[in-house]
Amino acid sequence: DVKVTQSSRYLVKRTGEKVFLECVQDMDHENMFWYRQDPGLGLRLIYFSYDVKMKEKGDIPEGYSVSREKKERFSLILESASTNQTSMYLCASSSHRIGADGTYEQYFGPGTRLTVT
Amino acid sequence: SQQGEEDPQALSIQEGENATMNCSYKTSINNLQWYRQNSGRGLVHLILIRSNEREKHSGRLRVTLDTSKKSSSLLITASRAADTASYFCATALSFSGNTGKLIFGQGTTLQVKP
Repeated sequence: DVKVTQSSRYLVKRTGEKVFLECVQDMDHENMFWYRQDPGLGLRLIYFSYDVKMKEKGDIPEGYSVSREKKERFSLILESASTNQTSMYLCASSSHRIGADGTYEQYFGPGTRLTVT
Repeated sequence: SQQGEEDPQALSIQEGENATMNCSYKTSINNLQWYRQNSGRGLVHLILIRSNEREKHSGRLRVTLDTSKKSSSLLITASRAADTASYFCATALSFSGNTGKLIFGQGTTLQVKP
């Protein structure tokens, strides 16, 4: 079974703090993604990575950065947290490989609910 | 507007009834996927339908795809209270290459009353 884990389920940080959200997957997936989810807005892609040390901006990268030093780990960094970054953050991974069961199925972690006060 | 738009935004039915959710998209796709999210949790993949397929079944789930209308529907038959969740469609665009990038809709919230 694919497992995607996120470092925290709930996190409370103060405005201006540097925040690290960690995501680890155990299925040797090439692709990893960070989304934020807000009521009425669905899932919005922040950043994604299709290989170690490779990263691409998603739809809302402002205020965020990412790091992928190892294949299994993808970190989301809030350089200076602000109240408008209060949200649910979801990490996901997927394989390059086209298989009989599906192409680009994404496996999600449980999410981190971040509150910035 | 977004690539994937879902209709209705919210749906409330009685246990045993069927639930139908619709998804429309704008650009050419490789495949379309449906995911489920229980309250406060991550998403779980339900079913994938490729652009050259018209219908697919998995247990109580039936998905259709009409590429001429750029739309898909998810039917859950004989619904149960445990089906209460949010459902999202996601499209893999034809030009997304190996990045695996998906575009998610805003979701349909389904409530199944016992």
